[in-house]
Amino acid sequence: QQQVKQSPQSLIVQKGGISIINCAYENTAFDYFPWYQQFPGKGPALLIAIRPDVSEKKEGRFTISFNKSAKQFSLHIMDSQPGDSATYFCADGNNRLAFGKGNQVVVIP
Amino acid sequence: SAVISQKPSRDICQRGTSLTIQCQVDSQVTMMFWYRQQPGQSLTLIATANQGSEATYESGFVIDKFPISRPNLTFSTLTVSNMSPEDSSIYLCSAGTDQETQYFGPGTRLLVL
Repeated sequence: QQQVKQSPQSLIVQKGGISIINCAYENTAFDYFPWYQQFPGKGPALLIAIRPDVSEKKEGRFTISFNKSAKQFSLHIMDSQPGDSATYFCADGNNRLAFGKGNQVVVIP
Repeated sequence: SAVISQKPSRDICQRGTSLTIQCQVDSQVTMMFWYRQQPGQSLTLIATANQGSEATYESGFVIDKFPISRPNLTFSTLTVSNMSPEDSSIYLCSAGTDQETQYFGPGTRLLVL
């Protein structure tokens, strides 16, 4: 099922820094690319999503950058906070989402 | 958005038994799905729960092992049948009102001894 590949597997960032995690996809037929955030012991929660007709979407401190030619999209977390420490999953697909393996982000004070 | 609850939140079961997991959504939704997630791993789609008809299973998952019901637009059950230790995992229900946005429940943590 896995059609998206995430990198890096884990990331440690200082508080106030920028976290950048990447997702490479294969299927160009899909037009919806979300990022989900999951805290330990909780279900994933939709964080932000983008369609390929725009190159960037920003919601608060979270930004998705989409590179259609490279078949890649990235999540940028600006001014990273310890509360952002979580596992982030990208996915592609329409209704039947295929998730990546996840990026573990740790923000240290 | 939709709020999703699951019962039970966790369980410890003996091999060879079956467990039914319930998923309740606080509003009518079009799509409902069941996923499995090993601790620290990705989510794997088991099946799409179709209201009033048989679920649509992904490759590697079969109805005899994971029977699913969806009697209405707000409720679904997943049964893990004839369990073995390999079935130990987190089972997640998700739901959405359109083709894309999915909201997840908190998960059911299953340990099979």
